Amino acid sequence: NAGVMQNPRHLVRRRGQEARLRCSPMKGHSHVYWYRQLPEEGLKFMVYLQKENIIDESGMPKERFSAEFPKEGPSILRIQQVVRGDSAAYFCASSRDTYEQYFGPGTRLTVT
Amino acid sequence: QKEVEQNSGPLSVPEGAIASLNCTYSDRGSQSFFWYRQYSGKSPELIMFIYSNGDKEDGRFTAQLNKASQYVSLLIRDSQPSDSATYLCAVNIFPNAGNMLTFGGGTRLMVKP
Repeated sequence: NAGVMQNPRHLVRRRGQEARLRCSPMKGHSHVYWYRQLPEEGLKFMVYLQKENIIDESGMPKERFSAEFPKEGPSILRIQQVVRGDSAAYFCASSRDTYEQYFGPGTRLTVT
Repeated sequence: QKEVEQNSGPLSVPEGAIASLNCTYSDRGSQSFFWYRQYSGKSPELIMFIYSNGDKEDGRFTAQLNKASQYVSLLIRDSQPSDSATYLCAVNIFPNAGNMLTFGGGTRLMVKP
């Protein structure tokens, strides 16, 4: 199955720790997107990346959040010094070009 | 004003009926429109996309787009209990400046046997 892969599927962090979420796009896809879904809220765009470039980070919180998509390896969404409000489902999506986006299974982050 | 609006539902239809889900968007420059299905606790699954005015059919699903009215809909024919899920409308509002999708809040569909 060459679908979008995300790991870990579930992540528990204490307040103040760092969370690292990984995403491998579908085979043949070079565009990666991160979205966040807070409990009982809609999906919100965070960041759009291509290999080694951040194309659009207009949805990223200004502090503590960063993303990268290196030349080799998966895309990483990094959250430093997590707070309870960061508890959410984080979804990665990928696309071949600038059209249809396919989502991975998500990482459920719980901050205790 | 929300950029993409959907009735949150729940929309309840009997098995075998046609389910009609609606979505309006605010930006006339929007060019790409998508419907995702999301089961509880799962990730969104792309089920339809439409870029031109008119109808697009795929199996039991039909997407309808009317750019003049800024309206996109999804029809599900012969609805099955397995279609019970939340349906998310997504719009690419600024395709020339980026590729982000803006999602509506979703409509919860319940298909009763």
